[in-house]
Amino acid sequence: EDQVTQSPEALRLQEGESSSLNCSYTVSGLRGLFWYRQDPGKGPEFLFTLYSAGEEKEKERLKATLTKKESFLHITAPKPEDSATYLCAVQVNYGGSQGNLIFGKGTKLSVKP
Amino acid sequence: DGGITQSPKYLFRKEGQNVTLSCEQNLNHDAMYWYRQDPGQGLRLIYYSQIVNDFQKGDIAEGYSVSREKKESFPLTVTSAQKNPTAFYLCASSTHLGSYEQYFGPGTRLTVT
Repeated sequence: EDQVTQSPEALRLQEGESSSLNCSYTVSGLRGLFWYRQDPGKGPEFLFTLYSAGEEKEKERLKATLTKKESFLHITAPKPEDSATYLCAVQVNYGGSQGNLIFGKGTKLSVKP
Repeated sequence: DGGITQSPKYLFRKEGQNVTLSCEQNLNHDAMYWYRQDPGQGLRLIYYSQIVNDFQKGDIAEGYSVSREKKESFPLTVTSAQKNPTAFYLCASSTHLGSYEQYFGPGTRLTVT
């Protein structure tokens, strides 16, 4: 069964304390892996798409990496405004529902000043 | 500004009543999706549509119905048959089914008592 697992469920950091969020997946064929940011009571905001192992993408203090089994979202010197829930989703390349996303449960990040 | 709008932001209904959630996009996207988000769970796909007058059931379609009469609009009806309708509902769109990025609306929080 296709599955996406995110860890930790919650992460508390001090401002400036770098860390990483993990997204591990078990699918037979990966078409793409996506990271979203979601603020409370709002819709997810698209951050990154990763297509193949070894790929990396950066945006401000965020850097996403991909291996054959997992993805990491590295947060460098976070600020309080980085506090949000970060969602990981995968898209498979087989079956009748190609294009549909399988989401993890998210990691809730809190950054204290 | 191009984007996805959902209305209303908050919706309250009595048990046994049907309710329709609105989703409109002006991104000229062909594909549209409805997700449900519950605390502690990942987003789950309810219905999706790749073109006007065509839609398919997602993972949790029971108790829901949709229509796609216009490219821009994809309303979701939560029927009285849905046993646990209280949730946060998210609409998304992508350029076409199978394209990589899905963009989300702001969501509608439905409370049924």
